[in-house]
Amino acid sequence: DSGVTQTPKHLITATGQRVTLRCSPRSGDLSVYWYQQSLDQGLQFLIQYYNGEERAKGNILERFSAQQFPDLHSELNLSSLELGDSALYFCASSVVAGFGELFFGEGSRLTVL
Amino acid sequence: SQQGEEDPQALSIQEGENATMNCSYKTSINNLQWYRQNSGRGLVHLILIRSNEREKHSGRLRVTLDTSKKSSSLLITASRAADTASYFCASLLEGGSEKLVFGKGTKLTVNP
Repeated sequence: DSGVTQTPKHLITATGQRVTLRCSPRSGDLSVYWYQQSLDQGLQFLIQYYNGEERAKGNILERFSAQQFPDLHSELNLSSLELGDSALYFCASSVVAGFGELFFGEGSRLTVL
Repeated sequence: SQQGEEDPQALSIQEGENATMNCSYKTSINNLQWYRQNSGRGLVHLILIRSNEREKHSGRLRVTLDTSKKSSSLLITASRAADTASYFCASLLEGGSEKLVFGKGTKLTVNP
């Protein structure tokens, strides 16, 4: 158990819909990362927050947004969903930003029908 | 785009044999990390090697880093069926970036 909690574990929805994925980092970790894993694209970095501030951005679509709240949990919002958004979405946390190991949650599997 | 590329994409060996996976990356790095992922599960950190280090050991794992060739290798000695998983390298880019970029992974199968 990494200490990182992601909900929901599984989500099935239809095209055009909007979903919110939630992540609670390990106790004491200030940095949260979001990754998307699909079969053909591997593990893609989406976005990173540190203590509530956005610190790095990757290949995140404009339809996607995220934030980190004062209690350090983070949410990833996916809107106007398309079939191609079906993937595993991972959240990871670390104590400091950018130098040490990441602790990954078990992921949220999104299926868009 | 991926920063790291693992090679081979898939590797199948017998229990007791050694497994070597390679990772190449494109730009200068601060550190390079290796992670393991069991099918459909979260990634687990294995080992981190800094850009000024050449070799590091952790149990049955040995990692090397060659910054001149922009490559790293992960050696698992005396493999076990439980080592069956996908292995990813991840690099932290030099210059203050906080973005840890992963390769596409090597899928290792260890046959009993």
